[in-house]
Amino acid sequence: AQSVSQHNHHVILSEAASLELGCNYSYGGTVNLFWYVQYPGQHLQLLLKYFSGDPLVKGIKGFEAEFIKSKFSFNLRKPSVQWSDTAEYFCAVRGSGSARQLTFGSGTQLTVLP
Amino acid sequence: EPEVTQTPSHQVTQMGQEVILRCVPISNHLYFYWYRQILGQKVEFLVSFYNNEISEKSEIFDDRFSVERPDGSNFTLKIRSTKLEDSAMYFCASSRERNTGELFFGEGSRLTVL
Repeated sequence: AQSVSQHNHHVILSEAASLELGCNYSYGGTVNLFWYVQYPGQHLQLLLKYFSGDPLVKGIKGFEAEFIKSKFSFNLRKPSVQWSDTAEYFCAVRGSGSARQLTFGSGTQLTVLP
Repeated sequence: EPEVTQTPSHQVTQMGQEVILRCVPISNHLYFYWYRQILGQKVEFLVSFYNNEISEKSEIFDDRFSVERPDGSNFTLKIRSTKLEDSAMYFCASSRERNTGELFFGEGSRLTVL
């Protein structure tokens, strides 16, 4: 079965700082990778996804993530965060066969100070 | 923008009682899911449902749990003989396709078992 690790539980940044949230997964086969975001009081929503092709994927609100297969990583980045980016960020992976369902990481709470 | 809606937002019940959590998926979606998140832990897959039957379920989804789509719009999760450890946030999700992994989530129903 696959698993996902997010090593940063809480990240605090000032506005305009650059962001990188780590995500590592373990799975022996082909994976699809996702970042979901949950703003305060709202539902989980898809930020970006990787299925195949260009390992650098761009999502909504200026976020991007890079799939590095050799490192089993899918880190989320944003060059300049805003106060409105304060939210919890979840990395998720989906394998194949019996590992077809989304497996989430434990989440990273991002707090952006104005 | 269409969204997944869940009721109730918070349910408090006594141990051993039955609860039903309700979800209205996005109308043209065909695949439905329940996930849960125990406080401080990861979002975990419970069950997926398609064509009026369970597609997959996790080991968490024991025989106290059941899902149903009683009409064309609602998708319910029933938990019988609730236990303290069932206390969690339960998320309903739906998707238009099976393998995209692009799930649309509701805001969650918090279940507290006393």
